[in-house]
Amino acid sequence: DGGITQSPKYLFRKEGQNVTLSCEQNLNHDAMYWYRQDPGQGLRLIYYSQIVNDFQKGDIAEGYSVSREKKESFPLTVTSAQKNPTAFYLCASSIFPGAYEQYFGPGTRLTVT
Amino acid sequence: KQEVTQIPAALSVPEGENLVLNCSFTDSAIYNLQWFRQDPGKGLTSLLLIQSSQREQTSGRLNASLDKSSGRSTLYIAASQPGDSATYLCAVSKETSGSRLTFGEGTQLTVNP
Repeated sequence: DGGITQSPKYLFRKEGQNVTLSCEQNLNHDAMYWYRQDPGQGLRLIYYSQIVNDFQKGDIAEGYSVSREKKESFPLTVTSAQKNPTAFYLCASSIFPGAYEQYFGPGTRLTVT
Repeated sequence: KQEVTQIPAALSVPEGENLVLNCSFTDSAIYNLQWFRQDPGKGLTSLLLIQSSQREQTSGRLNASLDKSSGRSTLYIAASQPGDSATYLCAVSKETSGSRLTFGEGTQLTVNP
C-alpha cells in the first residue's frame, strides 16, 4: 500500500526534553511538509522540503528542526525551545513542489507535561 | 498576508439535506484551492483540488466552485449522509513552488440520521 506513515500515534514527553516525530512516505513524492494543528484551529506550516538535503522554514519554525537525508523520510524534532509543543502534528507530501495536491499522514499527538 | 475564513464554524443538518460550506480568502492571487475532510483525531483526506483557472470540480456527491476574483469558494454536498459528518477544511496555495498552503479553521459538519 502506498501512503504516508507517522509514528508514534501518541507521544508523551516531559518539559525540557527534545522529541523526534517520524514521517515516511512510499509515494515517491519529492516534496514533504510538516504542519501543526491546535484545537479548533486550521493547520500551520512548520517546515517544508522540496528536495533531498534541502528544506525551508514555514510560518512557525521557531523551536523545531528537520532533516531530509532520504527522499522518503522527513523527521521533525521538537526542541525544548518550543514554548507550547503540545499539539497534533501532521506530515504531508506532494508529487512535486508547485501547487500539486497534498496527501496527509494520520498524525502524531504530542503531549508535553 | 493571506487569510482564509470558513463559515459557518459548525453546521448540523438532517440526513438527506443538500448543504453548502463557504470559504473566503483575502488575496485573490492564488494558484489553487484544496478542500479536505478531517475525522476526529485523524489526518486530512483530500476531497477536491481546483486550479485557479478552473471554476469548479466534481467528485460524486461533492461539487466545489471557485470565484477567484471575489475570493470565494463553496463546497456543495448533495443528499448528505451521517457518514459525511466530519470537519471540512479549505486551503489555498499562492506560490507556484513549494505548495505552501494557508488553511481555514474548518467547518464542523454533523449529519443527523
